[in-house]
Amino acid sequence: EVQLVESGGGLVQPGRSLKLSCLASGFTFSNYGMNWIRQAPGKGLEWVASISSSSSYIYYADTVKGRFTISRDNAKNTLYLQMTSLRSEDTALYYCARVAYYGSPDYWGQGVMVTVSS
Amino acid sequence: ETVLTQSPTTTAASPGEKVTITCRASSSVSYMHWYQQKSGASPKLWIYDTSKLASGVPNRFSGSGSGTSYSLIISSIESEDAATYYCQQKSSDPPTFGSGTKLEIK
Repeated sequence: EVQLVESGGGLVQPGRSLKLSCLASGFTFSNYGMNWIRQAPGKGLEWVASISSSSSYIYYADTVKGRFTISRDNAKNTLYLQMTSLRSEDTALYYCARVAYYGSPDYWGQGVMVTVSS
Repeated sequence: ETVLTQSPTTTAASPGEKVTITCRASSSVSYMHWYQQKSGASPKLWIYDTSKLASGVPNRFSGSGSGTSYSLIISSIESEDAATYYCQQKSSDPPTFGSGTKLEIK
């Protein structure tokens, strides 16, 4: 069974940093690209960042480019999102998602909440 | 960026009725994918590559479309279909989602 478990969220002040993790199991993590996708409270889905299976391809949404860094450790079956210079508009539930062969997510984690507030 | 516009934003239907959700893209995309999200839960892949049902999705659901216009159709609504449905494209970067269609059951 594919499982994606996010962690590392919480309440953080504007301008500070936070690092999210996503532990994958139930599939060969190193064979799949991964995404971070977020959902602000009561709002729709917003793609944040993508990373290919070997980390050779990385892409960011303009809203987070230069502030967020996606990375992965295939030996640990773990995906990361390093978030710096956080803003109130980054407040959201952050999902990690596995990317299927057709380029879009097929499995999602349960999400981890990030709240940016003073 | 390819903007996806879904309609309607909200719809209500009675059990047994047919419902169509439309997703229009600001530029042509090769495929459309659809996700179902129930309240308090993570999104689930529902339809991929425009018309392929994800595992476990009832066959009362179908998807169609091409170019800039795509649809998710539910032939006969059931109470368990109450959810928000999002379209999504990956044909061009960045990947984008529609704003969602909330389906309520009368």
